[in-house]
Amino acid sequence: DAGITQSPRHKVTETGTPVTLRCHQTENHRYMYWYRQDPGHGLRLIHYSYGVKDTDKGEVSDGYSVSRSKTEDFLLTLESATSSQTSVYFCALRRGGDITGNTIYFGEGSWLTVV
Amino acid sequence: AQSVTQLGSHVSVSEGALVLLRCNYSSSVPPYLFWYVQYPNQGLQLLLKYTSAATLVKGINGFEAEFKKSETSFHLTKPSAHMSDAAEYFCAVSAGGNEKLTFGTGTRLTIIP
Repeated sequence: DAGITQSPRHKVTETGTPVTLRCHQTENHRYMYWYRQDPGHGLRLIHYSYGVKDTDKGEVSDGYSVSRSKTEDFLLTLESATSSQTSVYFCALRRGGDITGNTIYFGEGSWLTVV
Repeated sequence: AQSVTQLGSHVSVSEGALVLLRCNYSSSVPPYLFWYVQYPNQGLQLLLKYTSAATLVKGINGFEAEFKKSETSFHLTKPSAHMSDAAEYFCAVSAGGNEKLTFGTGTRLTIIP
């Protein structure tokens, strides 16, 4: 158990509406990530955070924004959802400090359908 | 820059046969390499990782992988496939253990009874 909770787990929304996905951690880790998973593409990084109010873009950040106002929560917002954003979204965190190197652990995913 | 190529989007093996899933990486600095497994409608679970210690890495569920620098490969193997191994497997690289993971496109493993 990585101590990550994603909400909502499933959502259907209409094109043009805003959507926010929430990722909550219980272990106070610094690095958190949002990935999307699509067939044939594997997982692609959308945005990541390295601390409160510290975020950076990944490889597929267009159309997405993030916020991290406190350590435990990392929010992903689709300002105006499009059908191309229909996907499975995974939150992840990095547990660091052990001698074998940092490892990224994943939440259970949020299935988003934009109609 | 870092990238991963997984050869074969679908692999089928008979129950009891050898499992071999291929992964080649590209990294400008010494890489950290990972294999994750994903069962249907679930998140990704770490199978094993290479972080510049032993080149042969053993993971959970009987899987292992060997880091070969000369071949820039990190193939995943299991001597005897079990029905419960049916899942999608992802190889990933982190250049020098930096903060970002880059994933391959995945290999779906099917086990034939």
